[in-house]
Amino acid sequence: DTAVSQTPKYLVTQMGNDKSIKCEQNLGHDTMYWYKQDSKKFLKIMFSYNNKELIINETVPNRFSPKSPDKAHLNLHINSLELGDSAVYFCASSQGVPGNNQPQHFGDGTRLSIL
Amino acid sequence: QQPVQSPQAVILREGEDAVINCSSSKALYSVHWYRQKHGEAPVFLMILLKGGEQKGHEKISASFNEKKQQSSLYLTASQLSYSGTYFCGIYNRGNQFYFGTGTSLTVIP
Repeated sequence: DTAVSQTPKYLVTQMGNDKSIKCEQNLGHDTMYWYKQDSKKFLKIMFSYNNKELIINETVPNRFSPKSPDKAHLNLHINSLELGDSAVYFCASSQGVPGNNQPQHFGDGTRLSIL
Repeated sequence: QQPVQSPQAVILREGEDAVINCSSSKALYSVHWYRQKHGEAPVFLMILLKGGEQKGHEKISASFNEKKQQSSLYLTASQLSYSGTYFCGIYNRGNQFYFGTGTSLTVIP
C-alpha cells in the first residue's frame, strides 16, 4: 500500500564511506525527486527525474549521483561521505513533468548521520 | 530563489486563527502548500494557480496574489492536529521547484 517507500530509514556511517539510498513509488508517477532537509528544516531539491531522464540537477557536489533504472525507482548514491551530508533525505514523486502543478508525494525520509 | 515565509514560528491556543505568508522575489505562476509534522514527511495541502483564487482544505484556506508575488495561508479555529511546519513551494520559469523557508506552528490546549 505504501505509495513512496525509501530504504533504509536510518543510516549511520563514518566519514569517507560510500552509501546508497533506494526509493520506489507505486503511484504510476512520471517524475521523481530527491530533497535534502538540514537541521534547520530547510528543504532543498537536489535532483528531479522524469521518465528516467534527469530534468533538474541543482548545484550539488558530484559525490552525489542519482540513478533511475525505471520510472518507478530513483536511487541516490553518495561517495566519500562528509560531516555536512548529515541530514534527512526525502524522495518524492508527482504525475507528469515538473512545473505542471501536480502535488508531490513524499517518502518517509532517510535519516543519514555521519560520525 | 527560495521563497521567504513569515512568521518563522507561531504559537497558538486551540481555536485561534493564524496567517502564514510566503513571498517570492521572482514572478509566481503557482504556489503549493505543504505541512510537515515532526519526524514525518511533508504532506500536500493545496495548490493555487494564477488568478487570485482561494482554495480550502479543512479549515485551512489560502490566497495567491501574483502581482505582489505572495501567497497567504489562513488557519481558522486551529486544532491541535494543525501543529507542524508549513512550507510554501513555487516553480520558477525553468520548472525548478523551491520550498519556502518554513513556518513552525504550535497549537497548545
